Amino acid sequence: SAVISQKPSRDICQRGTSLTIQCQVDSQVTMMFWYRQQPGQSLTLIATANQGSEATYESGFVIDKFPISRPNLTFSTLTVSNMSPEDSSIYLCSVEDQGNYGYTFGSGTRLTVV
Amino acid sequence: GDSVTQMEGPVTLSEEAFLTINCTYTATGYPSLFWYVQYPGEGLQLLLKATKADDKGSNKGFEATYRKETTSFHLEKGSVQVSDSAVYFCALSTGGGSYIPTFGRGTSLIVHP
Repeated sequence: SAVISQKPSRDICQRGTSLTIQCQVDSQVTMMFWYRQQPGQSLTLIATANQGSEATYESGFVIDKFPISRPNLTFSTLTVSNMSPEDSSIYLCSVEDQGNYGYTFGSGTRLTVV
Repeated sequence: GDSVTQMEGPVTLSEEAFLTINCTYTATGYPSLFWYVQYPGEGLQLLLKATKADDKGSNKGFEATYRKETTSFHLEKGSVQVSDSAVYFCALSTGGGSYIPTFGRGTSLIVHP
């Protein structure tokens, strides 16, 4: 299975600022996925990031708020822009576990907006 | 659309107790079913899976059987340990060109010595 390094692991940010979260995978993958996990809630898919093209966003998420970069097959970033307390969540990146019908996740970024 | 319903937590047990976490699903077609585990401070890890009806997934003493007739995939373990304390997520994937899973809300398990 792929190994994902995600950072930062946690941050406390002021409202109105932006935070960029990074995920590095130890192997080349076609698609990377970004999720939000709100307290007591399930994981919600934000967007799917393919290398060399714009990310595909799920309903309720827009590029201006959550810009994503995917410069190569092992790396992606998610930026949470103009943050408000409602953005306080855990953000996770994920890649498909090739041939295993499962997904591997990063350790998550716990974001608190004050 | 596809959905997964899990029993609400937290589930609190003593060490060596029997564990059941209920999971039912709604899906078009024939989904693959998964249990993921999230230990404190970590990301999700695939615990076990089943890809067709009557399959039993198992790992680390945990088991779950794909029951098509009851659309269920309940997670069980005969004797839990303190180290099993975590949040458990049931998920399904229906393929169709994308295997991106649909997750349940997660069930927190707390095991006391």
